[in-house]
Amino acid sequence: AQSVSQHNHHVILSEAASLELGCNYSYGGTVNLFWYVQYPGQHLQLLLKYFSGDPLVKGIKGFEAEFIKSKFSFNLRKPSVQWSDTAEYFCAVNIAAGNKLTFGGGTRVLVKP
Amino acid sequence: DADVTQTPRNRITKTGKRIMLECSQTKGHDRMYWYRQDPGLGLRLIYYSFDVKDINKGEISDGYSVSRQAQAKFSLSLESAIPNQTALYFCATSDSGTSGRNKDEQFFGPGTRLTVL
Repeated sequence: AQSVSQHNHHVILSEAASLELGCNYSYGGTVNLFWYVQYPGQHLQLLLKYFSGDPLVKGIKGFEAEFIKSKFSFNLRKPSVQWSDTAEYFCAVNIAAGNKLTFGGGTRVLVKP
Repeated sequence: DADVTQTPRNRITKTGKRIMLECSQTKGHDRMYWYRQDPGLGLRLIYYSFDVKDINKGEISDGYSVSRQAQAKFSLSLESAIPNQTALYFCATSDSGTSGRNKDEQFFGPGTRLTVL
């Protein structure tokens, strides 16, 4: 069974700082990769996803993620965060032939104004 | 996403009580899921259903049951609630019929915060 690890549980940074959240998964076959965001008091929303093709994926709100197959990683980045990026971020993986998402434990990001 | 609704949004109950959480969707999706969210553990899959006649256990199904009353409705029951079932519960949907890039994307409801005393 696949598993997903998010190494940072909490991240605190100031506005305009750069953000990078790590995500590693364990599965040797073809996977689809997702980053979801959960703003305070809200439900999960899709930030971006990778299925195939260009390993650098651009999502909403200036976020991007890079799929590095050799490292089983799908790290999320944003060059300059805003206070409104305060949220919890979840990496998720599913096997290409299946339809069940496996989530990482989440990373809480607090952006100080 | 307003297309996926959950009721109730908040519920406080006592140990031993039977609780039902309901999920409805207007997206026309055939696949529906129930997750629970606990701090530090992310979302874990409880049950999922690929169509009305298909019900499958997820990784943490013990203590829960589900019913797919129609394509648009998927309810989760706690037969006898216990305190460690206190969590945030999410329903999600996906569409098996869309083309490759969107097929595996799941859309989430607003969540139900359940507290078992």
